[in-house]
Amino acid sequence: EVQLVESGGGLVQPGGSLRLSCAASGFTFSSYAMSWFRQAPGKGLDWVSTITGSGSTYYADSVKGRFTISRDNSKNTLYLQMDSLTAEDTAIYYCAKDQYKLLSFDCWGQGTLVKVSS
Amino acid sequence: DIQMTQSPSSLSASVGDRITITCRASQSISGYLNWYQQKPGKAPKLLIYTASSLQSGVPSRFSGSGSGTDYTLTISSLQPEDFATYFCQQTNRIPYTFARGTKVEIK
Repeated sequence: EVQLVESGGGLVQPGGSLRLSCAASGFTFSSYAMSWFRQAPGKGLDWVSTITGSGSTYYADSVKGRFTISRDNSKNTLYLQMDSLTAEDTAIYYCAKDQYKLLSFDCWGQGTLVKVSS
Repeated sequence: DIQMTQSPSSLSASVGDRITITCRASQSISGYLNWYQQKPGKAPKLLIYTASSLQSGVPSRFSGSGSGTDYTLTISSLQPEDFATYFCQQTNRIPYTFARGTKVEIK
């Protein structure tokens, strides 16, 4: 069974940093692109970042230069390093698995809440 | 960025009703349109990918259609477990963008 489990969320002050992790199981992790999405409380979904199996990375303009996506294929784990956080980054962060060629995302984690507040 | 607009933003329906949700892109997305279902406190669930392909395990009462800029999600006979929020997403071009969703409530 494909499973994604996020961790690392929490309360952080504006300007602070946080690293999210997403532990994957049930599939050949290194073969799939992985992405982060987020959802502010009561709001819609926003794409944050994607990393391909070969390591190419893509970012939303709102996080470019502040967030870094990475993966450790030996640990089947996806990461999101978040720096210079602002209140606008407050959201539930989901990791998601690419189904095929970044056309859709067929498995999502349960999400981890990041709250940026003083 | 490609803007996605969904309508209606909410609807009330009864069990057994047929409902249709519409999604429009600000430019052609060549069929790279997905539909997700989300229940409160849960992660999104992929229902339909590339406009009309039913995701494995999703009931056949869900269907999708469309091309170019206009797409629809249809639920042929609404079931109690279908009351949720539905989002469309384009994957034609990065940044991938979502519409703001349609909340389907019980009448």
